[in-house]
Amino acid sequence: DIVMTQSPDVLSVSLGERATINCKASQSILYSSNNNYYLAWYQQKPGQPPKLLFYWAFTRESGVPDRFTGSGSGTDFTLTISSLQAEDVAVYYCQQYYIAPYTFGQGTKLEVK
Amino acid sequence: EVQLLESGGDLVQPGGSLRLSCAASGFTFSSYAMTWVRQAPGKGLEWVGFIRGKGFGGTTDYVASVKGRFTISRDDSKNIAYLQMDDLKTEDTGMYFCTRGRGGADHWGRGTLVIVSS
Repeated sequence: DIVMTQSPDVLSVSLGERATINCKASQSILYSSNNNYYLAWYQQKPGQPPKLLFYWAFTRESGVPDRFTGSGSGTDFTLTISSLQAEDVAVYYCQQYYIAPYTFGQGTKLEVK
Repeated sequence: EVQLLESGGDLVQPGGSLRLSCAASGFTFSSYAMTWVRQAPGKGLEWVGFIRGKGFGGTTDYVASVKGRFTISRDDSKNIAYLQMDDLKTEDTGMYFCTRGRGGADHWGRGTLVIVSS
């Protein structure tokens, strides 16, 4: 199985500051035929189902604010929030959907410092 | 509007069975894979398995921990996906979500709670 490892487990950031969450895949999740990374990012707030933020690693889902950016290459990916807002407090997950089982990272809890 | 509504969660004893349902609306159900994801209390997300759409043979894949115990099926005439769970273990306790698609799930239900306890 592909192991997805996120860092850090907990991130404390001041409002208005940049937040960076990392996700590393244990093997390539790039499908060479279409040059797409099979990676998604989700945001989950307490008591709610996860919400899709990015798919194909970099494609922002409709309605997601542009302060959120997905980046990376190879087996290393990053979710960046350029200026943290109070409503961004949540747990963030990456997920690979290249090879079943489509594993999630362990999650990163983002809180306000 | 796309909607997914899970049901069937309950308190069940170890070794018991449950069938969860996911009623879908607002999209062409038969064209999409449907996925089940679970979340133990206070823990992270775990991909359980999925069923491909009719165009891809309606085949299934599962995480190793549920293979042979869980079965995902679908009824495209009713727009419902099912998760049949047999030989339940305490570690199967959690919220079960259904989602649309194989990966990059753009729609999720609110989940149904399964508690496995004696």
